[in-house]
Amino acid sequence: QVQLVESGGSVVQPGGSLRLSCAASGFTFSAYAMHWVRQAPGKGLEWVALMSFDGSTKYYADSLKGRFTISRDNSKNTLYLQMIDLRADDTALFYCARSRNSWYSGMNDAFDIWGQGTMVTVSS
Amino acid sequence: EIVLTQSPGTLSLSPGERATLSCRASQSVSSTYLAWYQQRPGQAPRLLIHGASSRATGIPDRFSGSGSGTDFTLTISRLEPEDFAVYYCQQYGGSPPLTFGGGTKVEIK
Repeated sequence: QVQLVESGGSVVQPGGSLRLSCAASGFTFSAYAMHWVRQAPGKGLEWVALMSFDGSTKYYADSLKGRFTISRDNSKNTLYLQMIDLRADDTALFYCARSRNSWYSGMNDAFDIWGQGTMVTVSS
Repeated sequence: EIVLTQSPGTLSLSPGERATLSCRASQSVSSTYLAWYQQRPGQAPRLLIHGASSRATGIPDRFSGSGSGTDFTLTISRLEPEDFAVYYCQQYGGSPPLTFGGGTKVEIK
């Protein structure tokens, strides 16, 4: 079945780095734009980043100030999020999500498939 | 950045009742680019409505969306026990960032 499985979350010290992965299965990963969305404990949803189906277009939330980098390997059906200089307020459950339409940049599109998330805790 | 404000913050209703959730945008949003998601406790969000009024695949017809410009509404015609959850609106039009509202919790009265 169509599935997204995130991994890579852990406890990291302030200033540390982490790379999250999102493994896709059950659909043609290379045809879909993908997103990262995060949710701090007890809080709402915050969009983090988007990458188009072919990797040619990336967008980020302004608040990240260049600390996060989204990438994908279509040969491995995997989406990544590299995070550096992590801060306490980056503590959150990180979800990957699929854009609804295929062969699309990812902007102007809702998210129809979500993973279960991977938890990132930034604490000393 | 388009800010989405959802109201009320919490809605206390009984099963079988009608729920009306509001999402107001700080500037006009094309109705093509407004979505609603449901998040049950401990679960990932689920797409309910896209394009302001189109139900996603497999979503029951008791869920409906409407609105245009800066005011959008999600209506649940008759609440089922599994509908008690948090609901988020999202705009995904124009330039980034894509933004979510703060959520409305529908709880059992």
